[in-house]
Amino acid sequence: DGGITQSPKYLFRKEGQNVTLSCEQNLNHDAMYWYRQDPGQGLRLIYYSQIVNDFQKGDIAEGYSVSREKKESFPLTVTSAQKNPTAFYLCASSISRPNNEQFFGPGTRLTVL
Amino acid sequence: SQQGEEDPQALSIQEGENATMNCSYKTSINNLQWYRQNSGRGLVHLILIRSNEREKHSGRLRVTLDTSKKSSSLLITASRAADTASYFCAPGSARQLTFGSGTQLTVLP
Repeated sequence: DGGITQSPKYLFRKEGQNVTLSCEQNLNHDAMYWYRQDPGQGLRLIYYSQIVNDFQKGDIAEGYSVSREKKESFPLTVTSAQKNPTAFYLCASSISRPNNEQFFGPGTRLTVL
Repeated sequence: SQQGEEDPQALSIQEGENATMNCSYKTSINNLQWYRQNSGRGLVHLILIRSNEREKHSGRLRVTLDTSKKSSSLLITASRAADTASYFCAPGSARQLTFGSGTQLTVLP
């Protein structure tokens, strides 16, 4: 099956802890993205990567970090510096440019206790 | 920001009726896309319309784009209960695809 996967589906974290969300794709896409969605809101871009070993900050990058060591993988770390991390996190990928069709994973719901 | 803004925020219709959602944006675009999201799930791409196109169809979906008014509309014909979801427009530039807050569509059986 071709697609994009995220794990875990639900994640609970204590305040002050870093946590890493996984995103993997087997679509051979060059570009990958991380979005944050709050209840009743649209998606806000956290980070994106258009090629391996390169990534760019999105609109709300503070308190987050990413890496892109492999084409298939784009993990997101939510650090303790993120003031309000409880949200639904969506990973996406596209063939190349951001304005191409984006394929989304099922999302990870992060709750900070 | 050229984030799309959908209107209405919520729409409730009976099965079999048509549903129309509108989107406005602020700056120039290369294309505009529409996505659907079922509750608690990822987004699914529905249709892409390029800036030089005025109308596009895909099954029961019809999208229009008016670049002079910086607006787009999504029409779902003969709606079904399974169409219940949030619908997002996403204006696309070379640098970014941005998403609005969405229209929550409820189709009553």
